[in-house]
Formats: sequence, structure tokens, C-alpha cells
Amino acid sequence: EAQVTQNPRYLITVTGKKLTVTCSQNMNHEYMSWYRQDPGLGLRQIYYSMNVEVTDKGDVPEGYKVSRKEKRNFPLILESPSPNQTSLYFCASSFGVRQPQHFGDGTRLSIL
Amino acid sequence: LAKTTQPISMDSYEGQEVNITCSHNNIATNDYITWYQQFPSQGPRFIIQGYKTKVTNEVASLFIPADRKSSTLSLPRVSLSDTAVYYCLSDTGGFKTIFGAGTRLFVKA
Repeated sequence: EAQVTQNPRYLITVTGKKLTVTCSQNMNHEYMSWYRQDPGLGLRQIYYSMNVEVTDKGDVPEGYKVSRKEKRNFPLILESPSPNQTSLYFCASSFGVRQPQHFGDGTRLSIL
Repeated sequence: LAKTTQPISMDSYEGQEVNITCSHNNIATNDYITWYQQFPSQGPRFIIQGYKTKVTNEVASLFIPADRKSSTLSLPRVSLSDTAVYYCLSDTGGFKTIFGAGTRLFVKA
């Protein structure tokens, strides 16, 4: 089954404790992306990747890092999480930037 | 960056056809128009995509006039389960993906 898998689905942690949210897709997609969704602000793109070893900033990249060492994986790293990064996060993938994106089920992060 | 404009919310009744219009005045020549549906706490789900004229699939139809400055998503005979937020995307901003505020559709019995 074609899918985008995010882990964990829920996480409560404390300020400053590094965390990684993993994202994996099994569709051989080249384009992958991370979004955060906050009430009243909609979906905002954090980072995207056009292909292996090619990543770039979206609209809200501050406080986040990503890597794309393999085509299927695109982890989101919060080196020093802060409470303003409490949000619902989605990973997505597609064959290209103009192609329909497949989204994961989301990761709800709470940073205390 | 080009911007899409949609109504903030719409109400409908079960069995009715719903049309949601999106304005994208600055759409670029190469841009497609893509619509997504999102239920609470779930990731957006692709509904339909088009470039011009009309596109239809098993879920919806997409109407795009010749000037491509707007598009209309048509949902035939909606049900309660169609209550969701619908997003129109027309501008990739290069390699970025930009979601607008979306239209919150509420279907009543």
C-alpha cells in the first residue's frame, strides 16, 4: 500500500531536548516536504527536498533541520525545541513539486 | 508570490451540489490548479488537479475558465462526510508549496 509514514504520532517533551520526527515513503517519490499546522495559520511549509541531498527552506524553517540521505526518508530534526514549536506536523511526498502530494497521518508535538 | 483566495466557509445540505470558487489572479503559465481536502487532525488528501477547461474524476469536477484566473471545485450531492476544509493551490512559488487558508465546508442533514 502506498503510504507516507511518520513517527512518532504523538510526543510530549521539554524545551531543549533534541528530537527527530521520522518520515518514510514507499512510492519512490522525489519531492518530500514538511509542514506545520497551527490554528488560524493553516499549513505552512518548513522544508522541502527535490531529491537526495537536495533540500531547501520553506516559509518557516527557523529552529528546524532536515536531511535527505536516502530517497525514501526525510527526517525533521529539532535541535533545541522550544514551546513555539508545539504544533501538528505533516510530512508529504510526490513525484514532483507540481504533482499531487501524499500526506502522512501527522505528528502532534507538545513542547513544555 | 501569487496568492489564492477562497471563501472562508460555506454551508450546504446533504444531497446538494457544492461549488467552491478559488481566485488565482497571478497564476503562472506553467502552474496547475490542485485541490485538497482535509479532515480534522488528518493530513490533506488530494482531490483533483487541472490545467484548463474541465476535469472530472469519481469524486469531483474542476472547472477552469480560459483566462485561468479562477477555478471552481464542484462536489456533486454532498453528504455529511464531506464536511472538511478544502484547499486550492495554484502557485508553487518555484519549488515551494503554498497552502492558502482554505474553505471550511459544513454539510448539514
